[in-house]
Amino acid sequence: GNSVTQMEGPVTLSEEAFLTINCTYTATGYPSLFWYVQYPGEGLQLLLKATKADDKGSNKGFEATYRKETTSFHLEKGSVQVSDSAVYFCAHDNAGNMLTFGGGTRLMVKP
Amino acid sequence: NAGVTQTPKFQVLKTGQSMTLQCAQDMNHEYMSWYRQDPGMGLRLIHYSVGAGITDQGEVPNGYNVSRSTTEDFPLRLLSAAPSQTSVYFCASSYSGTASPLHFGNGTRLTVT
Repeated sequence: GNSVTQMEGPVTLSEEAFLTINCTYTATGYPSLFWYVQYPGEGLQLLLKATKADDKGSNKGFEATYRKETTSFHLEKGSVQVSDSAVYFCAHDNAGNMLTFGGGTRLMVKP
Repeated sequence: NAGVTQTPKFQVLKTGQSMTLQCAQDMNHEYMSWYRQDPGMGLRLIHYSVGAGITDQGEVPNGYNVSRSTTEDFPLRLLSAAPSQTSVYFCASSYSGTASPLHFGNGTRLTVT
């Protein structure tokens, strides 16, 4: 079936540290892949996306590369800030009009 | 520039009560959807609509009804609330399904006792 697996949190980092949040997926065909971010008390916002193999999505210093051979879409940022503290969700749209989300990873960045 | 507006923000129900969660968007989006968010389980799709008059079931539709009489509004009805429906509910809309960015409301936190 269709599923998205991401690393459990919380991930706690110091400011300016390097961030990786792992995401792998199972799907039939070639889905588009997404990272959404949820700040406290708010709904989710699209952070970045990639629509085909080897595409790199990027936004606000975050990057993720669509790796078809490893069915992965890991999120990275070279230097995190306190304002990046949030919950991050990986997702794909292989199920037609439905997005399948991972369980979310909470990131906490300490000054 | 309101975006997606959900009401209420918080609600407490007793088992067996019914209620409607409201969702409205002012972006003329055709696609609207309802998700529930539970700890460690991400978001799961309840129902969605690809346009006025058209609705379809998502992953977890049981216990919920929807209708889409206008492009702007997509209410979610709980017919007989159960403790298992305690969750945070998010409404989302987009221009053309999942290929376009989903715009989420700020959520409704529902507790069923």
